[in-house]
This record gives sequence, C-alpha cells and structure tokens, in this order.
Amino acid sequence: EAGVAQSPRYKIIEKRQSVAFWCNPISGHATLYWYQQILGQGPKLLIQFQNNGVVDDSQLPKDRFSAERLKGVDSTLKIQPAKLEDSAVYLCASSLELAGVGGELFFGEGSRLTVL
Amino acid sequence: GENVEQHPSTLSVQEGDSAVIKCTYSDSASNYFPWYKQELGKGPQLIIDIRSNVGEKKDQRIAVTLNKTAKHFSLHITETQPEDSAVYFCPTIGADGLTFGKGTHLIIQP
Repeated sequence: EAGVAQSPRYKIIEKRQSVAFWCNPISGHATLYWYQQILGQGPKLLIQFQNNGVVDDSQLPKDRFSAERLKGVDSTLKIQPAKLEDSAVYLCASSLELAGVGGELFFGEGSRLTVL
Repeated sequence: GENVEQHPSTLSVQEGDSAVIKCTYSDSASNYFPWYKQELGKGPQLIIDIRSNVGEKKDQRIAVTLNKTAKHFSLHITETQPEDSAVYFCPTIGADGLTFGKGTHLIIQP
C-alpha cells in the first residue's frame, strides 16, 4: 500500500517569497492533516480536513498560510509571503477515521522549508 | 484539554539495555494512549498503542503499560538496537487530532 506522498522534499526561498507544498494521502483516507515541525519541537497542527471540508484551522496563520483540499483527495499548503520563522518541516498526515476516536495517523516524510 | 507530561526529554542507553519512557496524563476520561516514533528525516509513525480496558500490550521488543489509578503509561523497549535511536512521542488525543509535545530523544550508545 502506498504511503502519504509529499513534495517537494526540500525548498529554499528568501523571505517574502511564496511557496506551495503538495500532499497525496493514502487512498480512501477521509481525514487529512497539515503539521508544522520546527527543529527540536514536536509537530504542531495547522489544519485538519474531513473530506474537502475544514474541521479545524484555529492554529493556521491565515494572514499568510492557506490550504485547500479539492475533491477531498490531494491537498496543497501555501505560504505567502514567507517569514524567517516559517523555516520548518511541513508534515502531511492522513487517517481513515478522526484521530479523536483513536484513529492512526499516517505521516509523509515531510517538506523541509528554509527561509533565508 | 488533556495535559500530558513526558519524561525524560533525553535518554541515553547502552545497546542491548532497556529503555523506559513515561507519560503522565490528567484527564481520567482518556481511553486511548498511542506511542509514535520519529526517525531522523521522517514523519512520526505509530509503533504501539493501548486502550484503557487493557493494562499491558506487547509487540516483540516493545511494550506499553497503563496504570489508570496513577494516570500514567510507559513505553518499554528491551534489548535496544541502533535502529531504536529516534524521538518518541505520546501525543494527546482530541477532536482536533493529535497534539504532540517535545517528545523523548532516545540515543542508543554502541
């Protein structure tokens, strides 16, 4: 079974530029998550989708971050304009059921962003 | 929401020895306790979990024990090997998914 696919794996940009990350979840997984992981920290949830609807985006900095999940499958996370503090690994995860009921999350390998 | 404390933040053991990581929780209604392992350059991966109606669960060299009275659960790794070097997390469970702390950095010394 194919895992969660993410691209690009690495991206280096200058501050104030924009960047987009793509995620393809495991087939059949209705729930998709984007996490931000700063070096030395645990992953922090940015946004959670159930099919193509947003369940929770309370920690998404909406002035610069946006995410969408068209057709309830693939998702993109965009940052515009990027700041130095956005340097992190952006992890996408998917699950068959909501994590709140004990569903296992399957993570991709992440997209490492460096903002100069 | 649920509050979980994880100890230690860093654990260094000799290869072949055992490692124990402990998490203490506050919500007595919690009923699901997962452990995730994150290797360098990869995303976290579920390695073992336990539900509140069970006191212990084993899977080869790893085990999780749950003490509901004391509100803590522990990850036990026996006969540690180099591939056990990673960061281990005991995330809390909520309607908004999993909330991760800083985890425990396990270092296996050769």
